[in-house]
Amino acid sequence: QQQVKQSPQSLIVQKGGISIINCAYENTAFDYFPWYQQFPGKGPALLIAIRPDVSEKKEGRFTISFNKSAKQFSLHIMDSQPGDSATYFCAASNFNKFYFGSGTKLNVKP
Amino acid sequence: DVKVTQSSRYLVKRTGEKVFLECVQDMDHENMFWYRQDPGLGLRLIYFSYDVKMKEKGDIPEGYSVSREKKERFSLILESASTNQTSMYLCASSYSANGYTFGSGTRLTVV
Repeated sequence: QQQVKQSPQSLIVQKGGISIINCAYENTAFDYFPWYQQFPGKGPALLIAIRPDVSEKKEGRFTISFNKSAKQFSLHIMDSQPGDSATYFCAASNFNKFYFGSGTKLNVKP
Repeated sequence: DVKVTQSSRYLVKRTGEKVFLECVQDMDHENMFWYRQDPGLGLRLIYFSYDVKMKEKGDIPEGYSVSREKKERFSLILESASTNQTSMYLCASSYSANGYTFGSGTRLTVV
């Protein structure tokens, strides 16, 4: 049973557009929700993270929106750039144990 | 800069071989993890460790074991490699609940 469900599996966005990736979870004990970015040949790297006591967190062009009642959170990439092309994973954790979504492969076309 | 180093980027092994994947971190982290990454399945937890000599099964431990003799080193062992263990293996470490630092991964092919 997958603890975190992520969609879409792949996404194509034009340069300058907004990329949106969605995740949903079931376990209300999760207390930390990070997003990871992975380039080919590299391990995932922490991009941005949120805790459930806030509804939104913004870092530069990247924003996490968090809906505790719906048990959903999403990553928004504003003004998407070709350099953002990567695979993105959402995750949820409780007590240092992380559960990952299945990943979204983002392709930003110039 | 903090680092998690996986000893091999690419490995090709034969069915039935015993395979060792090594991971070393230089951050003095208590927690270390092994994941495998497969297309469409994301990252799945194989084993983890919160302390030296300590190990816990993750979600898919079958066919694997681990060893943590020193704090900085966490080894994944495939007792008898099979073709369905062909995958990308990722090691990670963490301190508290502040997120993982991943290694670059080992792409293992079992033929």
